[in-house]
Amino acid sequence: DGGITQSPKYLFRKEGQNVTLSCEQNLNHDAMYWYRQDPGQGLRLIYYSQIVNDFQKGDIAEGYSVSREKKESFPLTVTSAQKNPTAFYLCASRMYSAGQAFFGQGTRLTVV
Amino acid sequence: KNEVEQSPQNLTAQEGEFITINCSYSVGISALHWLQQHPGGGIVSLFMLSSGKKKHGRLIATINIQEKHSSLHITASHPRDSAVYICAVPPSGNTPLVFGKGTRLSVIA
Repeated sequence: DGGITQSPKYLFRKEGQNVTLSCEQNLNHDAMYWYRQDPGQGLRLIYYSQIVNDFQKGDIAEGYSVSREKKESFPLTVTSAQKNPTAFYLCASRMYSAGQAFFGQGTRLTVV
Repeated sequence: KNEVEQSPQNLTAQEGEFITINCSYSVGISALHWLQQHPGGGIVSLFMLSSGKKKHGRLIATINIQEKHSSLHITASHPRDSAVYICAVPPSGNTPLVFGKGTRLSVIA
């Protein structure tokens, strides 16, 4: 079955450490996205990529980094520069020329 | 900048009630998405529509492009419909979706 997979589901990180969240899709989608969700707030865009080896900053990119070396994969690194990293992170994908969006199950990151 | 407004923010209904959730947006769009987020956090796409009405089971989505407004209706609501319902639009065809803050629905048996 085609879909989008995020891992891990729960992640704990010590303050000052970098951590990488995985996102893989086998839908042959060109575009992939990372969103952050905080309680009572809508999804906010961190980074997105519309093609391999290219990506753009979203509204809240500071303290995050991404790579898009393969069409299927779009990992997000939460760096120690991110001041308030505890949040729910969602990865999504869709065809480049618009279309239905597919979401992963999310990763809940807690900084301890 | 495109804004997406949803109402109500929270909604509690008795089982069997007809439910309506509204979404308004500020710029022209090619299509609008309705999404469902369950307590575990995972998001499922319910509808993508650019005109008229779509129906899937007890869920109906309508859109009025001229008025920049969409509604999601749930007929014969059930406790398993309890979730957050999110409206999202792409400011232009290939740009990332902009999301509303969601409507938290609780259906009580």
